[in-house]
Amino acid sequence: IAGITQAPTSQILAAGRRMTLRCTQDMRHNAMYWYRQDLGLGLRLIHYSNTAGTTGKGEVPDGYSVSRANTDDFPLTLASAVPSQTSVYFCASSEGTGGTDTKYFGPGTRLTVL
Amino acid sequence: GQNIDQPTEMTATEGAIVQINCTYQTSGFNGLFWYQQHAGEAPTFLSYNVLDGLEEKGRFSSFLSRSKGYSYLLLKELQMKDSASYLCAVMDSNYQLIWGAGTKLIIKP
Repeated sequence: IAGITQAPTSQILAAGRRMTLRCTQDMRHNAMYWYRQDLGLGLRLIHYSNTAGTTGKGEVPDGYSVSRANTDDFPLTLASAVPSQTSVYFCASSEGTGGTDTKYFGPGTRLTVL
Repeated sequence: GQNIDQPTEMTATEGAIVQINCTYQTSGFNGLFWYQQHAGEAPTFLSYNVLDGLEEKGRFSSFLSRSKGYSYLLLKELQMKDSASYLCAVMDSNYQLIWGAGTKLIIKP
């Protein structure tokens, strides 16, 4: 593994189903993030984790939950998917949370909720 | 509210120079980032500015004026592979990144 991986690459999901998007990084970064990207909008932060064992809510957290049991993994769960959650989801990580900490992004998961 | 504005789309010719502007209104400022995103791929880091002035990195340069809430990304000697979206993002006083919607750059031969 090099960098950040996400799984699945894409998924079509029926509304009401539960879904977990996986994210793993091997850079030993402290901070991890989940963003969604929708056409015509900037990346929007869903949840973040500044260090293992802690999580926080971003700009659009409703309908999503995360956990950070260890440094490497940061799964995102949709408890009961709705069509408005159709989006491209990017996981990202950074060494720290300061102003100069560059975020590195995973390849994304394209999710369609029908 | 917090806002990042950048043009939706720009077109330029291979070998030419293009300037992509970004204006911002945020609660506080802890730096401005530019990312490149090819279609269907992840954003990748291009540049970071926290002080006023020009930062040059090969064919790409980024400029910042904090008093004007303004930045631009300058791409020289354009190549076809530069066709991508360019995302401007500002880190606010809480160290949260506020993202613009991105500028889609189309390069024509």
